[in-house]
Amino acid sequence: SQELEQSPQSLIVQEGKNLTINCTSSKTLYGLYWYKQKYGEGLIFLMMLQKGGEEKSHEKITAKLDEKKQQSSLHITASQPSHAGIYLCGADSGGSNYKLTFGKGTLLTVNP
Amino acid sequence: GAVVSQHPSWVICKSGTSVKIECRSLDFQATTMFWYRQFPKQSLMLMATSNEGSKATYEQGVEKDKFLINHASLTLSTLTVTSAHPEDSSFYICSGQHYNEQFFGPGTRLTVL
Repeated sequence: SQELEQSPQSLIVQEGKNLTINCTSSKTLYGLYWYKQKYGEGLIFLMMLQKGGEEKSHEKITAKLDEKKQQSSLHITASQPSHAGIYLCGADSGGSNYKLTFGKGTLLTVNP
Repeated sequence: GAVVSQHPSWVICKSGTSVKIECRSLDFQATTMFWYRQFPKQSLMLMATSNEGSKATYEQGVEKDKFLINHASLTLSTLTVTSAHPEDSSFYICSGQHYNEQFFGPGTRLTVL
């Protein structure tokens, strides 16, 4: 089965600082999804990456998928308190039903 | 984006009782819905894949007789936790498949006393 390792497990940054969260897969990724979750709430879809070398940006968040499609990074520029939460990467198993396996998440705290 | 709702948002029940959680896709038809469980400070663990009109596919280690899933329509899937025990207390989240994306519900917090 596919396993996803996220690093770091938790991260505390000062407002305005940049940060990066990594997600590494034990197998080739068919699709890599980034979600944000406030603890005890549902998941908010951020981005999906499918092609090796792909990069997507939305506002101050940029996600990349490496050429080998086994590693993805999520970069936040000039972090704000609103960025705080749990960031989860999810991998598409490659089957027809888009079943996702999730990493353990990265807890981000942004201090004002 | 597509919207998924869950009901109830939280429930407290006595040990031994059954609890039903509903997952609805509000503005799209979800042929496939997924049920996840999340323990405090842990990631989401897929419990089962629910396909409309057919039996759910359960992940290894998930008791199908304890976690009954019914996907009777393209917009509704239900998860029934039968004979709930305190160890079943968790946060249950569903998602609906829409094209190649999953849209998640807000979750249901179950506490079994």
